[in-house]
Amino acid sequence: ETGVTQSPTHLIKTRGQQVTLRCSSQSGHNTVSWYQQALGQGPQFIFQYYREEENGRGNFPPRFSGLQFPNYSSELNVNALELDDSALYLCASSYGGTGGDGKLFFGSGTQLSVL
Amino acid sequence: RKEVEQDPGPFNVPEGATVAFNCTYSNSASQSFFWYRQDCRKEPKLLMSVYSSGNEDGRFTAQLNRASQYISLLIRDSKLSDSATYLCVVSANAGGTSYGKLTFGQGTILTVHP
Repeated sequence: ETGVTQSPTHLIKTRGQQVTLRCSSQSGHNTVSWYQQALGQGPQFIFQYYREEENGRGNFPPRFSGLQFPNYSSELNVNALELDDSALYLCASSYGGTGGDGKLFFGSGTQLSVL
Repeated sequence: RKEVEQDPGPFNVPEGATVAFNCTYSNSASQSFFWYRQDCRKEPKLLMSVYSSGNEDGRFTAQLNRASQYISLLIRDSKLSDSATYLCVVSANAGGTSYGKLTFGQGTILTVHP
């Protein structure tokens, strides 16, 4: 177990709805990254949060947004869901400061199905 | 062209076999390189980092060729428990928060059979 927890584990939504996924980072980690993994593909970087600020974003539209809280937990919000948003959403935490080894710890993911 | 390309396989090998996976990356500015392992319906887990001089961890050997932008993973004496998807991963930067911004290949499926 990595100490990174995600909720919920599974979610079913319909097209056009909005969804919020949650992630608790491992103790001592101040950086959270979110990834989308479609079936048969590798994870794709969505964005990263460091000390409550977005710190890098992949090729995802603005309807994908996030937050990081003072305790370094994080949320991923997706508006106006599309069928192609169906995927496993992975959260990963790491320590982004100097002296850290940067090793990434992944949560077990949220499987989102959009019907 | 994908940033990180892998042969998706699947590779089906008997126990005890040696198997090699290859990977190419397109961003010549890439600084950090990794192999991750992902079991079915589970999260990816770091298998090993890949260094320019090549490195070994037990039965696993990783090689990096920066000039060719090529990464490899060799698994010797395959075990049933090695069955998984192996993901080639690169990062454009090294250190600090950059480890969180990874580019994954699509993964190579390995099945080791008795």
